[in-house]
Amino acid sequence: GAGVSQSPSNKVTEKGKDVELRCDPISGHTALYWYRQSLGQGLEFLIYFQGNSAPDKSGLPSDRFSAERTGGSVSTLTIQRTQQEDSAVYLCASSLEVGYTFGSGTRLTVV
Amino acid sequence: GENVEQHPSTLSVQEGDSAVIKCTYSDSASNYFPWYKQELGKGPQLIIDIRSNVGEKKDQRIAVTLNKTAKHFSLHITETQPEDSAVYFCAASTGGGNTPLVFGKGTRLSVIA
Repeated sequence: GAGVSQSPSNKVTEKGKDVELRCDPISGHTALYWYRQSLGQGLEFLIYFQGNSAPDKSGLPSDRFSAERTGGSVSTLTIQRTQQEDSAVYLCASSLEVGYTFGSGTRLTVV
Repeated sequence: GENVEQHPSTLSVQEGDSAVIKCTYSDSASNYFPWYKQELGKGPQLIIDIRSNVGEKKDQRIAVTLNKTAKHFSLHITETQPEDSAVYFCAASTGGGNTPLVFGKGTRLSVIA
């Protein structure tokens, strides 16, 4: 596609429920990143996929967070047993060499 | 790990004036320094970047300077326009740009017409 596509754009969920966030990167981009942006804060790194290498999961805040990237393309970020502190905008980015292209994000609200 | 500090957190300038945003980083191995602009409801967009083998880079009204010795880099916007109003983020990485970036907390720039 022309850009990075994320869905849904907005998600409201009840505390304790699981959620899945989807990212469709730019075709051909080998690297895919997930970041979290809390209100008024910078971007917090979560996880990084590069080609067929094992993902860098060093930024995941707890074992409730996981992510997959299937076929080197689409990625899904899963948050289990959501907590109110998980409320944030979740941004996905992809790149080929240098320079990320970000999607518009998924705004997650846990009530 | 890397830590990036960004100042100021908010900046207001009159249209036509210049704006300067400064960042410092902690890891001397960092070698790639991009700047992103984020408008309301959108994802950040890359506006300019610089590598550690270059001291300055310019693209029309935007320039970035890098001081490796002091471990700081700055974004300069000249002749500001209302459409420059946005949140700007600096970032750093050690992998030449193809590894995770560490971001500053952002600067909200308001250009007053």
